[in-house]
Amino acid sequence: AQKVTQAQTEISVVEKEDVTLDCVYETRDTTYYLFWYKQPPSGELVFLIRRNSFDEQNEISGRYSWNFQKSTSSFNFTITASQVVDSAVYFCALSENTDKLIFGTGTRLQVFP
Amino acid sequence: DGGITQSPKYLFRKEGQNVTLSCEQNLNHDAMYWYRQDPGQGLRLIYYSQIVNDFQKGDIAEGYSVSREKKESFPLTVTSAQKNPTAFYLCASSIFLGREAFFGQGTRLTVV
Repeated sequence: AQKVTQAQTEISVVEKEDVTLDCVYETRDTTYYLFWYKQPPSGELVFLIRRNSFDEQNEISGRYSWNFQKSTSSFNFTITASQVVDSAVYFCALSENTDKLIFGTGTRLQVFP
Repeated sequence: DGGITQSPKYLFRKEGQNVTLSCEQNLNHDAMYWYRQDPGQGLRLIYYSQIVNDFQKGDIAEGYSVSREKKESFPLTVTSAQKNPTAFYLCASSIFLGREAFFGQGTRLTVV
C-alpha cells in the first residue's frame, strides 16, 4: 500500500536561512508520481511540483529545489534564503500510476523576520 | 477564469441534519476528489471520481455520500451518520486520476 511520511511536524527558521522539508514514501509500484503542495493560511492548496518515478533529476525553480532519490525513497524540498512569505504548511503527496493522490501529514514552516 | 469553486466558504449545521457541499470545476478535468482536513492533520481522502457516473470510496467514506452526474460537478453530502463532521473540506480535480490535483478554496463546516 502507498504511504507518505513527513516526520517534521513543525520547523521554525529565521529569514534568509535555508530549510529542507523531508518526505519519505512507500510504494510497490514502479510507476508513480510525487508532488509537493503549499497551503498558506488562506487554506487553499497550491501545487508546486510533480515528479515521475523515471526522472530522478533534481529540479530548481528560483529559491525552491527538489531532491528525488529512489534509493532512499525520498523526495525532499529545500527553500533557499527563506522569506516570511514562505510560512505555510507544506504537503508531500504520492500517486501510484493512475491512482488517487495520497498526502502526508504536512510540515508547518514558520519563517520569522 | 478557469478553476475550482467550492461553496459555501463557511457552513454551520445542526446535529442530525444532512448538508451538501458544492464543488464545480471548469477545467475540463475527468477526475475529482474530496478531502477532509482536521486541525494539525493531513488530508484524508473521502471519495474520488475518475469519470462521470463513477466514484470510489476513499479512506474515510463512512457518513458521506457523493454523486457525479456531470463532469463539472462533484457535490459532497455530509450525513447525520458522520459522527465528527466539523472539519475543513477540500475539493480538487485533475486532468485524470493520478496527475497533479488543483484545489478549491475549501469549505469550513461546523456542527453546532
